[in-house]
Amino acid sequence: KNQVEQSPQSLIILEGKNCTLQCNYTVSPFSNLRWYKQDTGRGPVSLTIMTFSENTKSNGRYTATLDADTKQSSLHITASQLSDSASYICVVARPNSGGGADGLTFGKGTHLIIQP
Amino acid sequence: ETGVTQSPTHLIKTRGQQVTLRCSSQSGHNTVSWYQQALGQGPQFIFQYYREEENGRGNFPPRFSGLQFPNYSSELNVNALELDDSALYLCASSQRGLGTEAFFGQGTRLTVV
Repeated sequence: KNQVEQSPQSLIILEGKNCTLQCNYTVSPFSNLRWYKQDTGRGPVSLTIMTFSENTKSNGRYTATLDADTKQSSLHITASQLSDSASYICVVARPNSGGGADGLTFGKGTHLIIQP
Repeated sequence: ETGVTQSPTHLIKTRGQQVTLRCSSQSGHNTVSWYQQALGQGPQFIFQYYREEENGRGNFPPRFSGLQFPNYSSELNVNALELDDSALYLCASSQRGLGTEAFFGQGTRLTVV
């Protein structure tokens, strides 16, 4: 069964500290892996997208890693800010075969709270 | 901003009523997907439209239906609303193909009372 598991479920850290969020997946075949940031009650906003051949990608203070062999990804946030408080969702995409589903499997997200 | 807009942003309906949610896709995108997101959960795939035809469907009953228009904007219709339909409804637009990015709208918060 195609699944995306994220850990921890929630995390509280102090402003200025670093943190790492984890994503393990069993989705196959694999097309790409995406990390989204979702503020409460808002739509997800893309942070990074990585294909099979990419093992790291950065977007400002966000750095995502991918190990396609072990089917693991992480999102590292450096020097956290209050505005980083949000849910971070890992999404794994299969090649879109054109029917049945849209090929995206979502994790439940990690709820991150940054405290001053 | 992603260029994907949804309307309305908030909506309150009574059980048994019908609702229509709207989504304008990003310019150049021909595919729209709809998701239901319950509080504290990840988005659940409802269905996808590609060039005005339903292209895939998740595990949702037939009272969830949709349309895509020639300009690729889309509607989600839900009949006979139930209390459990209360959720954030998200649409995402993309240009169909491998590895393409999906851009989400800000969502419509539906509350069924």
